[in-house]
Amino acid sequence: SQQGEEDPQALSIQEGENATMNCSYKTSINNLQWYRQNSGRGLVHLILIRSNEREKHSGRLRVTLDTSKKSSSLLITASRAADTASYFCAPSNDMRFGAGTRLTVKP
Amino acid sequence: DAGVTQSPTHLIKTRGQQVTLRCSPKSGHDTVSWYQQALGQGPQFIFQYYEEEERQRGNFPDRFSGHQFPNYSSELNVNALLLGDSALYLCASSLETGSRNEQFFGPGTRLTVL
Repeated sequence: SQQGEEDPQALSIQEGENATMNCSYKTSINNLQWYRQNSGRGLVHLILIRSNEREKHSGRLRVTLDTSKKSSSLLITASRAADTASYFCAPSNDMRFGAGTRLTVKP
Repeated sequence: DAGVTQSPTHLIKTRGQQVTLRCSPKSGHDTVSWYQQALGQGPQFIFQYYEEEERQRGNFPDRFSGHQFPNYSSELNVNALLLGDSALYLCASSLETGSRNEQFFGPGTRLTVL
């Protein structure tokens, strides 16, 4: 069974818009990681948020974590066509992935 | 600083054959995990190696086996290949004692079973 579950399964937006995707997990975590995967390639590590952090920024990325709800969100601001990819989350201590969110950014 | 490398990049086998995939971890990392990713799905955890021992295993049959060498590199072996074994096989490395336990992934090996 998956540990990280992403929602929505698919998201299509216009370039310049913001994209928000959510992640839920089942057990307690030390930290949680978000990854991006371009079609048929390896996963690229985007950002890690620790269990004692509530929000973290990296460039156009903003990640929030709510340990009471066992959920996290990834916000990509001012999206670009190059952000088109699948996005996954997984707790570091239990790297079981969901099916991911497939983001399409239309130019 | 080399990242995670995997070989080969692509591989075509026939049913019943055996295959060996290889992974070199990121410099300084000592833990290697293997994942299988079918088309349109998320990566599925196969197993993890640390100190040359299999430490955790996902829900995969014994046809899937592995090895970790003293230099921390790793191999994934799959015996008696089935059509359903066609997938992207990903290797990820991390540092056991690292406080962040970040996993870094290689580019993957695309296995096609005919």
